[in-house]
Amino acid sequence: GAVVSQHPSWVICKSGTSVKIECRSLDFQATTMFWYRQFPKQSLMLMATSNEGSKATYEQGVEKDKFLINHASLTLSTLTVTSAHPEDSSFYICSARGREFPTDTQYFGPGTRLTVL
Amino acid sequence: LAKTTQPISMDSYEGQEVNITCSHNNIATNDYITWYQQFPSQGPRFIIQGYKTKVTNEVASLFIPADRKSSTLSLPRVSLSDTAVYYCLVGDRAGKSTFGDGTTLTVKP
Repeated sequence: GAVVSQHPSWVICKSGTSVKIECRSLDFQATTMFWYRQFPKQSLMLMATSNEGSKATYEQGVEKDKFLINHASLTLSTLTVTSAHPEDSSFYICSARGREFPTDTQYFGPGTRLTVL
Repeated sequence: LAKTTQPISMDSYEGQEVNITCSHNNIATNDYITWYQQFPSQGPRFIIQGYKTKVTNEVASLFIPADRKSSTLSLPRVSLSDTAVYYCLVGDRAGKSTFGDGTTLTVKP
């Protein structure tokens, strides 16, 4: 149980284009989803927290107009990187929490490698 | 959010027990302690979680002293495949957790 998927697993795009990454909880309802970014040899950095049916809460320094997050259902959240630039190239990871879990355990997706040319 | 501090790296040999300690001096009353394992280019994987004393599952044990200002992840008889980055997180149901720098464990043959 507690499986989270991400799609795509990797994507290469041209500078200026937009890229959408999907995060799905496969066997539980995700009341809260988190989006992280991880650069090589670094730790995960929280970008935003989204609760189903409400607007995402962004961490300081994360541009909400550039990183659009939608959590439209209890099993799906999407991250859209708009007008991507090479500095947006990174490993993007989502995680999810469900109300059936008694504590604050997050279950992570496998990540999406974004390369912007 | 409680800040966590871990050793940057540790080396071990196959078959040995490995203990990784995490400091979280300003842990709050409602906070749980969770450990994750991450391999390169993969998302973190849940290992174990605890609130106090000792927790054991099929892959690890977690020791938490009474003051809860630190915790120790114990991996029995490590193998080469346990080479990874290990993170301890402290957080509660209402909020979010912040990843520290993690501990890179290298298991040698």
